[in-house]
Amino acid sequence: QKEVEQDPGPLSVPEGAIVSLNCTYSNSAFQYFMWYRQYSRKGPELLMYTYSSGNKEDGRFTAQVDKSSKYISLFIRDSQPSDSATYLCAMSEQTGNTPLVFGKGTRLSVIA
Amino acid sequence: ETGVTQTPRHLVMGMTNKKSLKCEQHLGHNAMYWYKQSAKKPLELMFVYNFKEQTENNSVPSRFSPECPNSSHLFLHLHTLQPEDSALYLCASSQDVQRGYTFGSGTRLTVV
Repeated sequence: QKEVEQDPGPLSVPEGAIVSLNCTYSNSAFQYFMWYRQYSRKGPELLMYTYSSGNKEDGRFTAQVDKSSKYISLFIRDSQPSDSATYLCAMSEQTGNTPLVFGKGTRLSVIA
Repeated sequence: ETGVTQTPRHLVMGMTNKKSLKCEQHLGHNAMYWYKQSAKKPLELMFVYNFKEQTENNSVPSRFSPECPNSSHLFLHLHTLQPEDSALYLCASSQDVQRGYTFGSGTRLTVV
């Protein structure tokens, strides 16, 4: 079983829809959880960062972590065409020198 | 600009060539990374430098050779590459290996 599983999509939604992106993981030692957004021909940029379980909201974006289910989500409200990108989840342990582990990324298209 | 600059943006090289990719960060970060991004695959970690010391080498073929002369600069020296090495090569930096990474825009490498 891969450490981090993420459905690659593609996911296509109409403008204004609520988008739900998800990742599952197997390593119970993961404590830091991140979402990156990657536009075409660009490097990934950090979108949301959470520690341990719970929710975090930033504008139209909400990140949720459910450590008991080993499941993280990113919700995008009122989606816009400018949200069209690939979204990658990433996570890491709290201690040690283990770098981030990334999911494959989900390609999202928001249609006007 | 993210604060991590990669050059060149595009590179086409023959299998017998030798070339180098360059990465520069002025964010005061202590850790720098090389990643390979191929279509439909997760980001593949290649090398990690923490305080200029290489801490991870994920079984990368010897035709890829990293160099970190100081905490702001990272190079990836390439020689006798194979066509399957064609990919987007991303450099990233972070304050420590568990936290959010800042990525450059990448070098799109094509091996012919």
